[in-house]
Amino acid sequence: AQSVAQPEDQVNVAEGNPLTVKCTYSVSGNPYLFWYVQYPNRGLQFLLKYITGDNLVKGSYGFEAEFNKSQTSFHLKKPSALVSDSALYFCAVRDPSLSGNTGKLIFGQGTTLQVKP
Amino acid sequence: NAGVTQTPKFRVLKTGQSMTLLCAQDMNHEYMYWYRQDPGMGLRLIHYSVGEGTTAKGEVPDGYNVSRLKKQNFLLGLESAAPSQTSVYFCASIRAGTSGTYEQYFGPGTRLTVT
Repeated sequence: AQSVAQPEDQVNVAEGNPLTVKCTYSVSGNPYLFWYVQYPNRGLQFLLKYITGDNLVKGSYGFEAEFNKSQTSFHLKKPSALVSDSALYFCAVRDPSLSGNTGKLIFGQGTTLQVKP
Repeated sequence: NAGVTQTPKFRVLKTGQSMTLLCAQDMNHEYMYWYRQDPGMGLRLIHYSVGEGTTAKGEVPDGYNVSRLKKQNFLLGLESAAPSQTSVYFCASIRAGTSGTYEQYFGPGTRLTVT
């Protein structure tokens, strides 16, 4: 069965420091992986995705994520955090090897990122 | 483009009352989804639709019904609301594709409280 784990409920980082939000996954085939961000009282916004190719993918707002197949991880990173990055971050996975193309995603439980000035 | 919109934004129901949440998208997307978001549990799929007139159950379908009479609209119904259905509900849509590489687009959410 597909699953996604975000091991940290909250990540605290000082503004200007690098940040990492962790995500690990479990699928039977090669995964499609996604990161979304949710600002307070808003819907989810797409940040970036890994489908195939380079393991390092770049997305919106200066975020990037590294796909590591051996560690089944897809950690979200940013070299220099901003206070405005404070939000709830979700990792999600889709297993394209499953029969039926329904586009469904499995989401992690979310990680709250707090960036302090 | 308005993207994905949801109506209403907020609602308070008494136990046993019914209501319908409306999701509309103007991107001509084939697939649509209803999720609920609860603290510490991420997003859980309630029902989804892969086309007009077609719906299917997700992870947590009990107590909900859906309909997709028009491609652009996806309705979520609660026939007899229960306090356990207090949650934030999100609708999402995606264009179809054999590779499934596309990202979902989300609406702003409906905050529902059942007392």
